[in-house]
Amino acid sequence: DAGITQSPRHKVTETGTPVTLRCHQTENHRYMYWYRQDPGHGLRLIHYSYGVKDTDKGEVSDGYSVSRSKTEDFLLTLESATSSQTSVYFCAISESREGYTFGSGTRLTVV
Amino acid sequence: GESVGLHLPTLSVQEGDNSIINCAYSNSASDYFIWYKQESGKGPQFIIDIRSNMDKRQGQRVTVLLNKTVKHLSLQIAATQPGDSAVYFCADSDTGTASKLTFGTGTRLQVTL
Repeated sequence: DAGITQSPRHKVTETGTPVTLRCHQTENHRYMYWYRQDPGHGLRLIHYSYGVKDTDKGEVSDGYSVSRSKTEDFLLTLESATSSQTSVYFCAISESREGYTFGSGTRLTVV
Repeated sequence: GESVGLHLPTLSVQEGDNSIINCAYSNSASDYFIWYKQESGKGPQFIIDIRSNMDKRQGQRVTVLLNKTVKHLSLQIAATQPGDSAVYFCADSDTGTASKLTFGTGTRLQVTL
């Protein structure tokens, strides 16, 4: 998807374990976002970044942390995975609000 | 397929007919609106956008209408095709939200032959 890659695409993990999802971009865009998608809720913002080492919380940030040490990489960490964090996670990049590009998603299952 | 689906409103349209997908937003300060299309197993893809200083904008086979008075947005798809079958999301933002978009819950469009 236009210079944005998410890894892994699928993951099954056990409750209580830490999990890290990676978003990599080749577009040199300033903004990067992590959303989760669940039935009945659409896409909800977890965290976003507006530059290297500059991040902020979204509406559903509890239980998640992020890091951005390089322009191209934005990592989402579930500190101790719970079943409620089973979801599809999407990363998005933009240079402005007019140019969101989404990755293909990561399907995470917490058992 | 994606985890989104079981709780989505669904619009069924016959191939060749026009489709109208509606969306309500709540933020009176929103001044930018986008429609996205999401096919099964993929991320959302941009369709069309509109700024609050406009009421209507047309693209290829798609038109977005904005009614700021009632905070309502609609997406019209002309001559709907089987490839239009997907989930459609509206999103909005205001200038004070650091480029963050707020997404609606989505509508599933099913095109019947």
